[in-house]
Amino acid sequence: GENVEQHPSTLSVQEGDSAVIKCTYSDSASNYFPWYKQELGKRPQLIIDIRSNVGEKKDQRIAVTLNKTAKHFSLHITETQPEDSAVYFCAAPIAGNTPLVFGKGTRLSVIA
Amino acid sequence: DVKVTQSSRYLVKRTGEKVFLECVQDMDHENMFWYRQDPGLGLRLIYFSYDVKMKEKGDIPEGYSVSREKKERFSLILESASTNQTSMYLCASSFTGNPYEQYFGPGTRLTVT
Repeated sequence: GENVEQHPSTLSVQEGDSAVIKCTYSDSASNYFPWYKQELGKRPQLIIDIRSNVGEKKDQRIAVTLNKTAKHFSLHITETQPEDSAVYFCAAPIAGNTPLVFGKGTRLSVIA
Repeated sequence: DVKVTQSSRYLVKRTGEKVFLECVQDMDHENMFWYRQDPGLGLRLIYFSYDVKMKEKGDIPEGYSVSREKKERFSLILESASTNQTSMYLCASSFTGNPYEQYFGPGTRLTVT
């Protein structure tokens, strides 16, 4: 089945710096890659996603890149702010099926 | 706005008790999911359902069962709670037209003593 590896498990950056979180997946048929953000004590929420026919997608300060050949995708956050502090999860679907397989999460701390 | 609610935020049960966790969504979503979240292990899928009275095992179904008698409600059942089932349980739902955008409930922190 699908396996999703996420790195790093923790990340600390200074406010204003950039943060990058990387994920690799195993199933070459996977075609959709969402990123979820979970603030402390709150539920995970979808923040950005990318489909396999696109190499990059941006939404203000966040962007996701996809390398299908290497089977990895990354979340990029620029000009980080304290409110970006959270746990971020990447995910990929089991091919042709609805369930998502989630990475183990990255705890991002933005230090003011 | 999608609303996914869970019956309890915190629950304390004794070993061997039967435990029911309820999840309700109000957006007519076809798909519903139960995950458990443990530090360092991420979100692991227990069971999911694509339709009423339908259920599929996820990655860690042992010790759990589910029930979906109505479209909006998906229940997780711990037949005989054990201490290793102490965890945060998250319910989620999604629309078949956009199945990978999942909406999560607030979670139930279950402690089994």
